[in-house]
Amino acid sequence: NAGVMQNPRHLVRRRGQEARLRCSPMKGHSHVYWYRQLPEEGLKFMVYLQKENIIDESGMPKERFSAEFPKEGPSILRIQQVVRGDSAAYFCASSHARDRGRNEQFFGPGTRLTVL
Amino acid sequence: KQEVTQIPAALSVPEGENLVLNCSFTDSAIYNLQWFRQDPGKGLTSLLLIQSSQREQTSGRLNASLDKSSGRSTLYIAASQPGDSATYLCAVVTGANNLFFGTGTRLTVIP
Repeated sequence: NAGVMQNPRHLVRRRGQEARLRCSPMKGHSHVYWYRQLPEEGLKFMVYLQKENIIDESGMPKERFSAEFPKEGPSILRIQQVVRGDSAAYFCASSHARDRGRNEQFFGPGTRLTVL
Repeated sequence: KQEVTQIPAALSVPEGENLVLNCSFTDSAIYNLQWFRQDPGKGLTSLLLIQSSQREQTSGRLNASLDKSSGRSTLYIAASQPGDSATYLCAVVTGANNLFFGTGTRLTVIP
């Protein structure tokens, strides 16, 4: 049973380019969460999605960032017009749907974004 | 607003020693608390999950306790080994269903 998969593992972008980060949840999981870990800082929640729905995006920057979790395929975190301050490790987690608030979240290996 | 604090920020111990990592949170209205391990440049590995109705959980040499009313959790590691060297993260889930993380304790076990 494969765990949470993220790709790419490393991504280098120049300022102004777009970054697309992908996350495939564990089999049977329909809840996806994105977190960001800035250098020398703790992990911070960004967005929580279920299939085709954004449930909570209170941690997402208001501009340039968007996320989706389509009916088919992985969840995508998209960052437009990247800036150096976006350089960070982005982690995806997934959980079961059966009991909101009580589910263990399983994390992927992360995507390390470097903006030149 | 939920805030999670972990003390100490870093800890070095000789191999074989028992140790305790501390986690405190400001809002006791949590659903559960998870302890994770993060190795340098890697993702997070879930170690233990304690539901809000539970007092402790055990897995091998690890034991985590939860005192929800006082906003505290501890992670006890018995007979530490060099392979235990990593950053240990504590996180709580509130009604929003997302995890609030502490900044971690960086553990070094010296052979």
